Amino acid sequence: DQQVKQNSPSLSVQEGRISILNCDYTNSMFDYFLWYKKYPAEGPTFLISISSIKDKNEDGRFTVFLNKSAKHLSLHIVPSQPGDSAVYFCAGRNYGGSQGNLIFGKGTKLSVKP
Amino acid sequence: DTAVSQTPKYLVTQMGNDKSIKCEQNLGHDTMYWYKQDSKKFLKIMFSYNNKELIINETVPNRFSPKSPDKAHLNLHINSLELGDSAVYFCASSHLQDRVDNYGYTFGSGTRLTVV
Repeated sequence: DQQVKQNSPSLSVQEGRISILNCDYTNSMFDYFLWYKKYPAEGPTFLISISSIKDKNEDGRFTVFLNKSAKHLSLHIVPSQPGDSAVYFCAGRNYGGSQGNLIFGKGTKLSVKP
Repeated sequence: DTAVSQTPKYLVTQMGNDKSIKCEQNLGHDTMYWYKQDSKKFLKIMFSYNNKELIINETVPNRFSPKSPDKAHLNLHINSLELGDSAVYFCASSHLQDRVDNYGYTFGSGTRLTVV
């Protein structure tokens, strides 16, 4: 049962344009959603999060939008830079479940072309 | 200084062997985790320890045994390795009660286990 789904395995964007990465979830108990970024041969690194009671959180070039009624969130990167090329994982936190356990999607590989 | 370090980075071994992966964090976190990324690329929680006590044990074969000698270490021992155990194993740490708007795990760089 995939509680967090990232249906696009890859995305290619031109430098300077907007990158939009999408994520859907099924678990209504998630209280926080997080995005992680992963470079090859490295562990995932925390990028940005959003509370389930908010609909937007912004940090520099990164903005996460949450549509709770649709159980959908998206990560916007504006403007995209070649250094943003990485795999992006969406995760939901079910704090009331297994004490802070994060449930991850399969990831979307973003390629930003110069 | 590496915040969460795992050793070894690569491990190739034969079926039936017993192997261990070590993890250490120097962040002062109270909770440590093991995640497995299989061939389908999912990152799945295996175990979680808080202050040396097991708090999450997902459906993992009992050939996998975590050991936490102290809050800074969480090692993973695997007995009788099988082909299906081939994956990348990530260690992570966090403060369980961290501020939720700053919530995030710190991951190690992963151990690629190949069972032949």
